[in-house]
Amino acid sequence: EVQLVESGGGLVKPGGSLRLSCAASGFTFSNEWMNWVRQAPGKGLEWVGRIRSKTDGGTTEYAAPVKGRFTISRDDSENTLALEMNSLKTEDTAVYYCLTDLKNGDGSDFDLWGRGTLVTVSS
Amino acid sequence: DIQMTQSPSSLSASVGDRVTITCRASQSINRNLNWYQQKPGKAPKLLIYTASNLESGVPSRISGSGSGTDFTLTISSLQPEDFATYYCQQSYTTPLTFGGGTKVEIK
Repeated sequence: EVQLVESGGGLVKPGGSLRLSCAASGFTFSNEWMNWVRQAPGKGLEWVGRIRSKTDGGTTEYAAPVKGRFTISRDDSENTLALEMNSLKTEDTAVYYCLTDLKNGDGSDFDLWGRGTLVTVSS
Repeated sequence: DIQMTQSPSSLSASVGDRVTITCRASQSINRNLNWYQQKPGKAPKLLIYTASNLESGVPSRISGSGSGTDFTLTISSLQPEDFATYYCQQSYTTPLTFGGGTKVEIK
């Protein structure tokens, strides 16, 4: 089955760190550019960042609110995407989704989403 | 960054109604515009890509149009399963950005 499954969410204090994982199955993960999008409770969708496939350089891009605090990485041998989050702020509280464009490995028409994992930043 | 503005932010409609949602980009994005549907507690689902292409499995009562800065999502005859929140998203350049959403509620 083609799917993405996120894990690692939870409650963390402001200034703390958390690492999210996304397990991919049913498709050739190494070919895909992978993205993270978040959604604060009751709010809209916000793109967090992406990582290119290794064949396209494996480089990353980030949204301004998380740049310098969040790091996206991938392990193609384990078909896993990660989001390392440091210096967390209350405004980072959100459901975090991993997603990709299966039709176009390097595209941004997101046809595959995980179910999401909730991150709550609170003292 | 490219700002995406959706209107209305919410609407009430009846089963069988024709519903139109608009999305405006702050600069031209050609046809690099996608539409998603999200139901409570679920991940968004791609409906339309590249402005007017219907994603596989999406009913034909849903359509998209537009180019440049102005885009439209139309549901020709609203069905009970269409009550949800709809988002547009530009895929033209990073940072990728979404509209604020349109909640379609039952009248």
